[in-house]
Amino acid sequence: GAGVSQSPSNKVTEKGKDVELRCDPISGHTALYWYRQSLGQGLEFLIYFQGNSAPDKSGLPSDRFSAERTGGSVSTLTIQRTQQEDSAVYLCASSLTSNRASGANVLTFGAGSRLTVL
Amino acid sequence: QKEVEQNSGPLSVPEGAIASLNCTYSDRGSQSFFWYRQYSGKSPELIMSIYSNGDKEDGRFTAQLNKASQYVSLLIRDSQPSDSATYLCAVIGNNYQLIWGAGTKLIIKP
Repeated sequence: GAGVSQSPSNKVTEKGKDVELRCDPISGHTALYWYRQSLGQGLEFLIYFQGNSAPDKSGLPSDRFSAERTGGSVSTLTIQRTQQEDSAVYLCASSLTSNRASGANVLTFGAGSRLTVL
Repeated sequence: QKEVEQNSGPLSVPEGAIASLNCTYSDRGSQSFFWYRQYSGKSPELIMSIYSNGDKEDGRFTAQLNKASQYVSLLIRDSQPSDSATYLCAVIGNNYQLIWGAGTKLIIKP
């Protein structure tokens, strides 16, 4: 597609429920990132996919969080047994690649998924 | 621990003046540097990228990179109220790791 598409745009859930957030990156982009941003805070790195390489999961805050990327395109971030502190905007971004080639590593962000855990 | 540091602000600048935003980074091997703008409630969007020492100009925006001193700055000339936003500095260091600063909140006062 023309941009990075995320769904749902808003999700309200009850504590303890599982949620899935979806990201459809720009066609042809091999690198995909998930970030979390709480109100008034900076970007918190969660996970990064680059092509067929093993993902960098170093930012996932707990084992309740997981993500996969099927066929090198669409990615799903799953949060199990949600807690109130999981409430935030979850941002997905993609880039053509993640190596040092000029311009190829510029990120394009989706509009985000706002998660509210009651 | 690779770091990117920014003054959180807020930085208040009168309309029409030059806004100067600064960012320092710890990884001397960093090669790619970016400035993103984030309006309240919106996603970050790229403003400037810079890859070599010196200045890069795009309209009212100028990015400056000094690898020896490990800093990158963004100048906004003729500041407008619509420039009010949080500006995020991002650096790609060794191992292609993308590191973000926490952002500087800029307020342009009419």
